[in-house]
Amino acid sequence: GQNIDQPTEMTATEGAIVQINCTYQTSGFNGLFWYQQHAGEAPTFLSYNVLDGLEEKGRFSSFLSRSKGYSYLLLKELQMKDSASYLCAVRGGYGGSQGNLIFGKGTKLSVKP
Amino acid sequence: DGGITQSPKYLFRKEGQNVTLSCEQNLNHDAMYWYRQDPGQGLRLIYYSQIVNDFQKGDIAEGYSVSREKKESFPLTVTSAQKNPTAFYLCASSFRTAAYEQYFGPGTRLTVT
Repeated sequence: GQNIDQPTEMTATEGAIVQINCTYQTSGFNGLFWYQQHAGEAPTFLSYNVLDGLEEKGRFSSFLSRSKGYSYLLLKELQMKDSASYLCAVRGGYGGSQGNLIFGKGTKLSVKP
Repeated sequence: DGGITQSPKYLFRKEGQNVTLSCEQNLNHDAMYWYRQDPGQGLRLIYYSQIVNDFQKGDIAEGYSVSREKKESFPLTVTSAQKNPTAFYLCASSFRTAAYEQYFGPGTRLTVT
């Protein structure tokens, strides 16, 4: 079967660093995405990894290890506005439905003052 | 401004009625998707379309129908056969199914009583 696991909730302090983990088991792999979703709003794209290693984009970084089926999203210098759900999604292989995204249940991050 | 629009933001219907959710994009994207989001669940794919006049069932298509008569539009009908229609519905699009990211609309929250 196909499965994506991420913690349900996390809490962190403003100004701190937080790491949100994602593990996946899918029949194919053609990239991993992280999205941010504020309550009641649309998900917005944060990052994309298809090769092993770290991708940095401002305060946000994302890491991928394909051999371990593992990714994490690192948020630095946390701000109150970072309170949101963070969705991990894996794209299967090319062709037909295999190109579609499989989403995890999301990690709700609460940033405290 | 380019983007995806969904209307209305909130929709209320009586049980037994069909209801159609609108999704329009002016991003010139070929592929469009419909997802359903329930509390504590990941996004689940209902239907997707890679090209005009063609669409495919996703993981939870039962009780739903779609059409793709124009590139810009991908309406979703929630029929009376859908057992649990109350949910947050998100439409998305991408340049190709193998493209790097999907862009999401603001969503429609449907409540059926």
